Amino acid sequence: DQQVKQNSPSLSVQEGRISILNCDYTNSMFDYFLWYKKYPAEGPTFLISISSIKDKNEDGRFTVFLNKSAKHLSLHIVPSHPGDSAVYFCAASAYSGGSNYKLTFGKGTLLTVNP
Amino acid sequence: DSGVTQTPKHLITATGQRVTLRCSPRSGDLSVYWYQQSLDQGLQFLIHYYNGEERAKGNILERFSAQQFPDLHSELNLSSLELGDSALYFCASNKQGGGAKNIQYFGAGTRLSVL
Repeated sequence: DQQVKQNSPSLSVQEGRISILNCDYTNSMFDYFLWYKKYPAEGPTFLISISSIKDKNEDGRFTVFLNKSAKHLSLHIVPSHPGDSAVYFCAASAYSGGSNYKLTFGKGTLLTVNP
Repeated sequence: DSGVTQTPKHLITATGQRVTLRCSPRSGDLSVYWYQQSLDQGLQFLIHYYNGEERAKGNILERFSAQQFPDLHSELNLSSLELGDSALYFCASNKQGGGAKNIQYFGAGTRLSVL
């Protein structure tokens, strides 16, 4: 049972345009959401996050939107650069008892930004 | 540089063998997480240690085990290796907790090839 789904395995956009990466979740106990970027031969790198009490968080060219009623979040990259080409993972966190929180990851979306 | 160090970067071994993957967390982080990424798969959570104690298990096979030592470094032991164990293994660390403390910082990974 996939609790975090990234339904688009890949996305291709032109340099300078907007990239929109989508993520859906099923567990209503998730209360913190994260996006990671991964280049080949490297580990995932934290990009941006959002708490469930917010609906938008912005950091430079990156904005994450959260729609709790739809259990949907999206990452917008504006403008897109060729260097943004990477796999993007969506992750969601839920409290799992004690002081423990568990991250659940989606399968990732490969973004290709064409010059 | 995330501050999380994983060794070795690459490991090639034969079926039936046993290997040990090592992880040094970021300075000050008490939590260590292990993940497996197989081809076309997302990050599958294996196990979580906090300050030397096992806190949560995910999809970890019985042939796999882990431990976290007093200096907080962790080792993932994989035994009776099968071809299907070939994957990228990532270690991540954080200080544990809710909100922004959910952010996990990943090492560059160990690529295991079982021949």
